[in-house]
Amino acid sequence: DTAVSQTPKYLVTQMGNDKSIKCEQNLGHDTMYWYKQDSKKFLKIMFSYNNKELIINETVPNRFSPKSPDKAHLNLHINSLELGDSAVYFCASSQRNTGELFFGEGSRLTVL
Amino acid sequence: AQSVTQLDSHVSVSEGTPVLLRCNYSSSYSPSLFWYVQHPNKGLQLLLKYTSAATLVKGINGFEAEFKKSETSFHLTKPSAHMSDAAEYFCVVRFSGGYNKLIFGAGTRLAVHP
Repeated sequence: DTAVSQTPKYLVTQMGNDKSIKCEQNLGHDTMYWYKQDSKKFLKIMFSYNNKELIINETVPNRFSPKSPDKAHLNLHINSLELGDSAVYFCASSQRNTGELFFGEGSRLTVL
Repeated sequence: AQSVTQLDSHVSVSEGTPVLLRCNYSSSYSPSLFWYVQHPNKGLQLLLKYTSAATLVKGINGFEAEFKKSETSFHLTKPSAHMSDAAEYFCVVRFSGGYNKLIFGAGTRLAVHP
């Protein structure tokens, strides 16, 4: 069983469209994250939820809206996609404050 | 503020030779430091972590790292490289403000040649 799974793995879409990425973890962790990895492999945290509560919200355009229906799921919805949104988006989970994150395999978003 | 600097963007070694990936950190507090590895088209995996216990930390796949406070370094080493070690390696510091916010270095790409 995959510990942290995210879908879809690839998205190709046009500018201005809206898209969602879903993430699920079966590790029983209480904290989930979204990270963005750009073309130079630089990783930056976007959001973190602990038990469905938003605890980290970095400087991200409000076109990005995370939602956590329960502590095993964290989704990311992106409105009005722009070229600069092209990246690999990683979901991760952990027990709070352990520093050991378990990552999904990433969702590669390409905006044309 | 915490930060990490990975001193080499690319490192190339021959199979069977030692690996050294360099990382310097900046932190006002006693830091929690980590190394993560990312194989091509995969997610990241924790290699090892330092959380103020032993300064020499052993991780998976024969990797280890030494925390040196006087040098503010946390270099990753392996005595003998294997072809399967080719990957991107990230040095990471945990933000002291809580909430498990990790700050990633820019990454070092390790190439292993036969």
